[in-house]
Amino acid sequence: GAVVSQHPSRVICKSGTSVKIECRSLDFQATTMFWYRQFPKQSLMLMATSNEGSKATYEQGVEKDKFLINHASLTLSTLTVTSAHPEDSSFYICSARDRDAARATDTQYFGPGTRLTVL
Amino acid sequence: KQEVTQIPAALSVPEGENLVLNCSFTDSAIYNLQWFRQDPGKGLTSLLLIQSSQREQTSGRLNASLDKSSGRSTLYIAASQPGDSATYLCAVKGTSGTYKYIFGTGTRLKVLA
Repeated sequence: GAVVSQHPSRVICKSGTSVKIECRSLDFQATTMFWYRQFPKQSLMLMATSNEGSKATYEQGVEKDKFLINHASLTLSTLTVTSAHPEDSSFYICSARDRDAARATDTQYFGPGTRLTVL
Repeated sequence: KQEVTQIPAALSVPEGENLVLNCSFTDSAIYNLQWFRQDPGKGLTSLLLIQSSQREQTSGRLNASLDKSSGRSTLYIAASQPGDSATYLCAVKGTSGTYKYIFGTGTRLKVLA
């Protein structure tokens, strides 16, 4: 089955630093990837939609200058949290849409998530 | 704007019970609906995907139904087991072509041995 990986799985950083999270589709090409954020005991909130080779589309209320998204290839999207603060501590999950129309039922494959803790 | 709500928010049942989790959505123009399981601190595991043209899907002890016109879906878990303890999320994808999922608020299930 299709696999999406995220790296790192956990990261702890100091306030004011930037953190990059990678999302990779391992056995398929993903024209579109999505980034979600999940606070403790809450549901997933979509942050942005990332299309390969173009600018990301951010949901209302998400600061695009703080959460930089790069989708440079069909298998990799990165989320960079710039100048991180404790309130950015959260669980970040990406998902990827399979480009292969023959086998895609428009199912999105989700990564295992990255736990970010900002001290 | 699509809003997805799940009831109940939390549920605790003894082992062996059959149970129903509910999901409702405000915009019936959906492409599909998906049920996920999430264990504490972990990512998502897809359980069942129902296309908008389908009424239900089954996998083992799980059965999900979809009534698109009324904006409702249910996840039925038969003969619950302690290993079923997790948070269950439903998510709907709209027909606008952006392929994004809107997630429900989740139901935290605890099955007691």
